[in-house]
Amino acid sequence: DSGVTQTPKHLITATGQRVTLRCSPRSGDLSVYWYQQSLDQGLQFLIQYYNGEERAKGNILERFSAQQFPDLHSELNLSSLELGDSALYFCASCTGGLGDTEAFFGQGTRLTVV
Amino acid sequence: GQNIDQPTEMTATEGAIVQINCTYQTSGFNGLFWYQQHAGEAPTFLSYNVLDGLEEKGRFSSFLSRSKGYSYLLLKELQMKDSASYLCAVFSNSGYALNFGKGTSLLVTP
Repeated sequence: DSGVTQTPKHLITATGQRVTLRCSPRSGDLSVYWYQQSLDQGLQFLIQYYNGEERAKGNILERFSAQQFPDLHSELNLSSLELGDSALYFCASCTGGLGDTEAFFGQGTRLTVV
Repeated sequence: GQNIDQPTEMTATEGAIVQINCTYQTSGFNGLFWYQQHAGEAPTFLSYNVLDGLEEKGRFSSFLSRSKGYSYLLLKELQMKDSASYLCAVFSNSGYALNFGKGTSLLVTP
């Protein structure tokens, strides 16, 4: 158990809908990363938050947004869903300081858009 | 941006040694990570290199050459359970992002 909790584990929804994925980082970790992993793709970096502030942005679509709350949990919002958004979505947490040696991953949310 | 390249697939025999290579191009390099990922599961941390040289951890070792933008992961005494995807990831301090390569799918055969 990495200590990172993601909910829900599975989500099935229709095209055009909006969903929210939730991530609780390890106790003491200030930094949260979100990744998307499709069947034939590697882990695509979406966005990173540190202590409530956005710190880095990857290939995140405009239909997607995220935030990190004062209690450090984070949510990834996906809207106007398309079939191609079906993927595993992982969050990872780390302390966020310089010299981080490891990011810990949650078990992921498997999103299926039908 | 970053380019991280690793072979797509490799096959090796149980008990053997396999080396998985990773090359990268990045600015503000601040560390290279190797993760193991079984299908449908979360990536798990294997190793971290920030200085040149070899880091050994049991059956797994990782090497880094910053001047060449090159790393490898060495797996010894292969076991069937080592069949998995191995992900190379580079932390760029200039962008704070941890970017992953597409992964190398390793198949260990009897």
